[in-house]
Amino acid sequence: GDSVTQMEGPVTLSEEAFLTINCTYTATGYPSLFWYVQYPGEGLQLLLKATKADDKGSNKGFEATYRKETTSFHLEKGSVQVSDSAVYFCALSDLLTGGGNKLTFGTGTQLKVEL
Amino acid sequence: EPEVTQTPSHQVTQMGQEVILRCVPISNHLYFYWYRQILGQKVEFLVSFYNNEISEKSEIFDDQFSVERPDGSNFTLKIRSTKLEDSAMYFCASVKDTEAFFGQGTRLTVV
Repeated sequence: GDSVTQMEGPVTLSEEAFLTINCTYTATGYPSLFWYVQYPGEGLQLLLKATKADDKGSNKGFEATYRKETTSFHLEKGSVQVSDSAVYFCALSDLLTGGGNKLTFGTGTQLKVEL
Repeated sequence: EPEVTQTPSHQVTQMGQEVILRCVPISNHLYFYWYRQILGQKVEFLVSFYNNEISEKSEIFDDQFSVERPDGSNFTLKIRSTKLEDSAMYFCASVKDTEAFFGQGTRLTVV
């Protein structure tokens, strides 16, 4: 079945540092890929998405590129801020294998940004 | 901006009691989902709902669980006889195209 693997957290960075959170996936169809963010005490918010190979999703300075050859969708940001501290979830939705819009999530990676 | 609303935000219940978690999806969306997140674990799919019936459910969604959309707006998740291991954050989502919009979640604590 479909699965998503994320790097273990927590990741602790200093403000203005470069961020990479690795995400790889397995899927039998042609998935859409997503990054969701969960701020403390809040629900899941869509951060960015990519629906086909080589697409780049971007939002709020975060970027991720859909790499079919490496089945990856790594999240990056050039300069993190304290306000980026949250849990980040990589997810996929595999429409063509009958999964509908059901999301399969990774375990989440907690990011802590310090001054 | 339209949003998904869940109530209550936090519910404490005794083991064996029934609970109903409520969700108001975005009005022109057609697909609705429930997910749960046990503390410190991944977000897990429970059930999807389309055209007033369940379209898919996970192994977690056993006979203790049910969903319905009684009045065309609210979308409810009922747990008939709660167990300690049902303690989790429950998220409702409504979907348009490939994008899922999540509610703030209901934290269920079973004691």
